[in-house]
Amino acid sequence: ETGVTQSPTHLIKTRGQQVTLRCSSQSGHNTVSWYQQALGQGPQFIFQYYREEENGRGNFPPRFSGLQFPNYSSELNVNALELDDSALYLCASSFGGNWEQYFGPGTRLTVT
Amino acid sequence: GQQVMQIPQYQHVQEGEDFTTYCNSSTTLSNIQWYKQRPGGHPVFLIQLVKSGEVKKQKRLTFQFGEAKKNSSLHITATQTTDVGTYFCAGYRSNDYKLSFGAGTTVTVRA
Repeated sequence: ETGVTQSPTHLIKTRGQQVTLRCSSQSGHNTVSWYQQALGQGPQFIFQYYREEENGRGNFPPRFSGLQFPNYSSELNVNALELDDSALYLCASSFGGNWEQYFGPGTRLTVT
Repeated sequence: GQQVMQIPQYQHVQEGEDFTTYCNSSTTLSNIQWYKQRPGGHPVFLIQLVKSGEVKKQKRLTFQFGEAKKNSSLHITATQTTDVGTYFCAGYRSNDYKLSFGAGTTVTVRA
């Protein structure tokens, strides 16, 4: 059984730039959720994808967008990066919308 | 909006002692989950509670869901150095796919 993988591991971007983060879900899982975790905080729900459709969204602006592909892998895109976007971005897969989440190792994004 | 709060924020424990961390939601939850995140790691699922008043045990860890489904607790007995990390509770409201996490309780252990 393959776990959740994310790429890249670390990323440094400049304010105003755009970034794409990638996630491969655990085999057998059809749902992917993205979270932002600031230092010392709990993960904050960005959105969830199920069958290639956004299934729910947290309190994040439209410059945060995503995609899910037929193989259930997913991308998180962030446009017009701001300094406050610096965080650990976690992808989690699950079998269903409100089941336990299996997290990937995360992408550490630094915006300068 | 829904808020999930955890106390204490930090727990410093002598090895071998017991402790409890608490989780409270401003709204009724359909279920509650607990995760553990080691320093530098990612959250790892521990358990899910669904029923009002439910109690589940995993070795030295005991998890409880409140009768009103608005609070939960995690009790660890005979703390070991392997228990170091941050414990998060997270909950779903009914018909909502947004999982709301608390800020976590960070546990350190004195040998």
